[in-house]
Amino acid sequence: AQSVTQLDSQVPVFEEAPVELRCNYSSSVSVYLFWYVQYPNQGLQLLLKYLSGSTLVKSINGFEAEFNKSQTSFHLRKPSVHISDTAEYFCAVTIYSSASKIIFGSGTRLSIRP
Amino acid sequence: NAGVTQTPKFRILKIGQSMTLQCTQDMNHNYMYWYRQDPGMGLKLIYYSVGAGITDKGEVPNGYNVSRSTTEDFPLRLELAAPSQTSVYFCASRGRVDTEAFFGQGTRLTVV
Repeated sequence: AQSVTQLDSQVPVFEEAPVELRCNYSSSVSVYLFWYVQYPNQGLQLLLKYLSGSTLVKSINGFEAEFNKSQTSFHLRKPSVHISDTAEYFCAVTIYSSASKIIFGSGTRLSIRP
Repeated sequence: NAGVTQTPKFRILKIGQSMTLQCTQDMNHNYMYWYRQDPGMGLKLIYYSVGAGITDKGEVPNGYNVSRSTTEDFPLRLELAAPSQTSVYFCASRGRVDTEAFFGQGTRLTVV
C-alpha cells in the first residue's frame, strides 16, 4: 500500500535560520506530490506541487521542494524562515494508478523562535 | 467566491446520537473527500467521491456513511456517535487529479 512518511513531527528553529522538512513516500508507480500548509484553526492550503518536469519547485513565499525519484523523497526547504511561517506542514501524494485518492503524511509542526 | 463550505463549525454530540456534517462546493469539482484529523496522526481519508452517484471507502470508513446526489454536495453521516469519533473533520474537493485540493474550514466534533 502507498504511504507517506514525514520523519519529524516537530521542528523548532530560530527566525532567519534555514529549515528542511522531510517527506518520503512509498509507491511503485508514478506520483503527483504536494505540500500543504495549515495555519492554526484553518483548513489546509496548497504550498507547492510537483507534477512533472523540473524536479525543483518553488512557492511564492520562499519555500522550495525537490523531487528525488531514486530516494522517493520530496523534502521542503526554506533558506530563512519568518515568524509567519509557524504552521503545520503536510506532505501528500496522488498515485497515478489510484488517481482519485490523496494520501497525507502525519504532518510536521514548524515553530519559529524569535 | 465561497469555495468549499462546511457546516457546522463546532458540534458536541452525546454517545449514540447521529448527525450529518454538510459539505458543499461551488467550483463544479468532480472529486470530493472527507478526512478526519487527529493530533499527530495527520489526515485520514474516510470516504471519497469521483462524481455524482459514485462514492468509495477510504482508510477509516467504519462508523460513517456518505452520499453524493449532486456535484456540489457531499454530506457525511455519523449514525451512532462514539467517543472515538471525536476529531476535526475536513471536506475537500478538486477538479482534476493533477490539481490541488481545496479544503473547507473544518468541523470540530466532540462526542461525550
